[in-house]
Amino acid sequence: GAVVSQHPSWVICKSGTSVKIECRSLDFQATTMFWYRQFPKQSLMLMATSNEGSKATYEQGVEKDKFLINHASLTLSTLTVTSAHPEDSSFYICSARDGWRTEAFFGQGTRLTVV
Amino acid sequence: GQQVMQIPQYQHVQEGEDFTTYCNSSTTLSNIQWYKQRPGGHPVFLIQLVKSGEVKKQKRLTFQFGEAKKNSSLHITATQTTDVGTYFCVSAGGTSYGKLTFGQGTILTVHP
Repeated sequence: GAVVSQHPSWVICKSGTSVKIECRSLDFQATTMFWYRQFPKQSLMLMATSNEGSKATYEQGVEKDKFLINHASLTLSTLTVTSAHPEDSSFYICSARDGWRTEAFFGQGTRLTVV
Repeated sequence: GQQVMQIPQYQHVQEGEDFTTYCNSSTTLSNIQWYKQRPGGHPVFLIQLVKSGEVKKQKRLTFQFGEAKKNSSLHITATQTTDVGTYFCVSAGGTSYGKLTFGQGTILTVHP
């Protein structure tokens, strides 16, 4: 199957700093990628849809200025958590769907801890 | 994607027992996908169901899509400790680039 690589797998940062998470499709081009957030023992909540070459589409209730998404190429999307606070601590996962496949492929996820 | 409700939230079984998780929608679904997420891992695609009344099997796993395309189920026969994880039903929308809407998931624990 297709491979989506996410980096870093975990990060600890101080409150008030920014953190960038990268999501790469390694063997296919992804015009659309998705960013999810997951709290312990809960489901994945879609945060935004990342569109190559255009602005991301954010879900209701997600702060655009706090969660900056950039999709500069067909294989890379980045999520930057700006001015992070402890309540932003969570598991962030990206996914992408290859054009002709049915399933979505997920990155390994990034566990963010803000102290 | 269309909203899907999934039950139960938790299921504890003894190894060898069967397990079933159910997924329901108030609207007709274009299709339903199932994913498994191991503890600490990321979701991995299991299967997609598209046709009304469709039944698909993968070894000990049986997936069903309701006749009205409003419900689905995943049944595992004779669970093993390797089946531990969270199982999600997912509404995948009608396009290849459509967003996925996850059900709440069922966390399966298998006691040896």
